[in-house]
This record gives sequence, C-alpha cells and structure tokens, in this order.
Amino acid sequence: RKEVEQDPGPFNVPEGATVAFNCTYSNSASQSFFWYRQDCRKEPKLLMSVYSSGNEDGRFTAQLNRASQYISLLIRDSKLSDSATYLCVVNPAGGTSYGKLTFGQGTILTVHP
Amino acid sequence: DTGVSQDPRHKITKRGQNVTFRCDPISEHNRLYWYRQTLGQGPEFLTYFQNEAQLEKSRLLSDRFSAERPKGSFSTLEIQRTEQGDSAMYLCASSQPGLVAQETQYFGPGTRLLVL
Repeated sequence: RKEVEQDPGPFNVPEGATVAFNCTYSNSASQSFFWYRQDCRKEPKLLMSVYSSGNEDGRFTAQLNRASQYISLLIRDSKLSDSATYLCVVNPAGGTSYGKLTFGQGTILTVHP
Repeated sequence: DTGVSQDPRHKITKRGQNVTFRCDPISEHNRLYWYRQTLGQGPEFLTYFQNEAQLEKSRLLSDRFSAERPKGSFSTLEIQRTEQGDSAMYLCASSQPGLVAQETQYFGPGTRLLVL
C-alpha cells in the first residue's frame, strides 16, 4: 500500500464548478498535512496546510480526518487558472523522519470554459 | 529573487557520464532537501541536510548518488555513471524549522535530467 494515495483523475470540470479531491495516508502517527499545487513542468508550490479543525482560504477548503486517515480539498467556483496537478502531502512524525515529505501521485485538474 | 535556485535547469547526458547539480536554498534556511520526480508521479524524498549534516538518506539514493552541503549553504547532488533510469526532475527544497504545523518547504524550479 502506498503511503499517500490519491485518485489521479484527470478531473475535467467547467468554470464555476465545485470539485473535491480525496487523499488517504497510511502512517497514523503523521503530524502535518499539506496540499501543494504543481503546474506543468514547474515546481510544487504550497497551496495550503491542513489542520485538524479544517481550514479555508478563499475558494479552497481543506479537511483532515485523523480517525479515517483521510484528507480532502474542495475547490469552489473553479477558475481556468486552477488547472494544475494537486499533490496531497504528509509530513511523518518524529525523529529524523521529520521534514521528509511524502507525496501522493497527484490529481490532475483541468478547468474548461 | 530570494527563492530557492537550482542549476542547471536542464541537463542531457549520455549513459555512463557523471553529472552534478547545484541548489542554493533561501538564505537563512538551515534545512535543505533533495527529491526526485518522474513523469506522472509525485516527488520522492532522496536526502536532507540540517546545516552541513546529512541526516537522512532514502534507499532510493544508491551508491552512485552523493550529496553534500559543505558549508551549510548551497548543496550539490552528484550522480556517477548515469543510467537511463536516472532520467527525472531533481527538486531541491529548503525550510526553516519551526512548529510542526508551520514548517513549510519551498521548492526550487528543479533540474530536468535526460540520460540518453
């Protein structure tokens, strides 16, 4: 089983749609969680951190369910510029593993006019 | 530009040659990471440094790979006797340690390696 699993998609949605991505992780001791965005042939960039209480940043909402080891990202009112690959990222706990980010394979989103 | 920089951005080499990549982290970031990303996959951890100390290496980092950060600032990643399977994007990231939820890794633009 992969440490971080995502549905690779692709998701093709019209502008204005709401789209949700899901992610599961295997290490129950993991400490911190993130969504990164990666444009084609570019480096990953932090979209948002994910906190236990859930958090929102404009049109983006992230949720964490530690009991189910499940992370989600909701994008409302999709824009053409949201087209990218969304990477679910987990930071495992403790010791020298801290900081060794584990990435899912990414979910491809294409927003069309 | 005060972000993470990497050099070169692209490298084409023949199988069996040695290559070296450089990463300059954000100044004052004492943690530096190397990742490798192949097509259709997320980045995979290779190794990381805190200051000049290399604290962890992935099993992906075979004997042909070596990384250094001699003065705790820039880092180099060398691949000896390259193989076609080494073709990938090599990403460098840096961070400034803080509280668990606050440490963010910032990525450089990557070095895209093609081994012919």
